[in-house]
Amino acid sequence: RKEVEQDPGPFNVPEGATVAFNCTYSNSASQSFFWYRQDCRKEPKLLMSVYSSGNEDGRFTAQLNRASQYISLLIRDSKLSDSATYLCVVRSGAGSYQLTFGKGTKLSVIP
Amino acid sequence: DGGITQSPKYLFRKEGQNVTLSCEQNLNHDAMYWYRQDPGQGLRLIYYSQIVNDFQKGDIAEGYSVSREKKESFPLTVTSAQKNPTAFYLCASSILGAPSPTGELFFGEGSRLTVL
Repeated sequence: RKEVEQDPGPFNVPEGATVAFNCTYSNSASQSFFWYRQDCRKEPKLLMSVYSSGNEDGRFTAQLNRASQYISLLIRDSKLSDSATYLCVVRSGAGSYQLTFGKGTKLSVIP
Repeated sequence: DGGITQSPKYLFRKEGQNVTLSCEQNLNHDAMYWYRQDPGQGLRLIYYSQIVNDFQKGDIAEGYSVSREKKESFPLTVTSAQKNPTAFYLCASSILGAPSPTGELFFGEGSRLTVL
């Protein structure tokens, strides 16, 4: 089983739609969880951390289900500028060198 | 502005040649990393360094070498022993010690290496 697994997409959605991405991880001892955004041919940038109680940042909501070992990202009212690849990232220990990146889910928001 | 600078942005190399990618940061971060990204693949860790004059192998260190003589600098050499060097290389840094509250890695803009 892959360590961090994501649906590669692409997800093609119209502007204004709500879209959800899921990510599963195999290491039950994983400690921290993140969503990064990567624009085409650019570097990844942190979108948001994922907290156990779930957290929201504007149109973005992240949730964690430790029992089922999955993380989700919900984007409401999609904008054209949301088009990017979303990377699920899991940290298995205390060190940032212990990050495992998913392959990413590509989102295209269509006018 | 604080950040990470990678150079060159694009690099072409003939088979059998070594090439060095530069990474400089002025964020005063202790830890620095090198990742490799291939199309349709997740980032894979090549090497990391948590302190000057010390570095550790990541998951795919074979065919690569690094040095950390200064806190600000973490160059990566892609040697001729690396069998499939064509890739997008990303340098990153982070706060060391207790994980930063956000666990954030700060990435450079990347270096795209093509072997001809």
